[in-house]
Amino acid sequence: DIQMTQSPASLSASLGETVTIECRASEDIYNGLAWYQQKPGKSPQLLIYNANSLHTGVPSRFSGSGSGTQYSLKINSLQSEDVASYFCQQYYDYPWTFGGGTKLELK
Amino acid sequence: EVQLQQSGAELGKPGTSVKLSCKVSGYNIRSTYMHWVNQRPGKGLEWIGRIDPANGNTIYAEKFKSKATLTADTSSNTAYMQLSQLKSDDTAIYFCAMEDYGWFAYWGQGTLVTVSS
Repeated sequence: DIQMTQSPASLSASLGETVTIECRASEDIYNGLAWYQQKPGKSPQLLIYNANSLHTGVPSRFSGSGSGTQYSLKINSLQSEDVASYFCQQYYDYPWTFGGGTKLELK
Repeated sequence: EVQLQQSGAELGKPGTSVKLSCKVSGYNIRSTYMHWVNQRPGKGLEWIGRIDPANGNTIYAEKFKSKATLTADTSSNTAYMQLSQLKSDDTAIYFCAMEDYGWFAYWGQGTLVTVSS
């Protein structure tokens, strides 16, 4: 199975700050990676697919990058509504696997 | 508009089974794959498996092969997941999700399964 190691597990940032969340795959996943945002008590919401494609309706302050085994999600100009947990997911090979998640809080 | 409506919360006794449903509106499930994901209290997301509703073909994560059974009814556009031999460790929220070339653009609202005697 492909292991997805996500870091950091938690993150505290100020409004307007830029934050970056990393995801490392145990093998090359050829950009088969998605990022999700999950708020408490809600379902995950798709942010990014194919490592760097912004899902419809997602604010442009979110962006994804990376290749091979290393991927990142960047949030520019942090807003209060961005407080949530974030998960990466690989869909290059079965079984599909998720990163452990990053809980983003306001400082 | 695509919507995934999941069945309500379940309380199951250890050793019994529960069957969850996920009714899709706005899209024909024969044209996609339906997946199930769980989330234990305060934890991350875990992929359980997926079904191709057009032919019933399934793929499961190894640890769920004897735990979960995925089925689908194309006439009612509904996916199902049965969880058997319930244990306390199965207490979790279970999400259905519709695949879009690998990623999940659409999710159900989740069903809480609580296992308790």
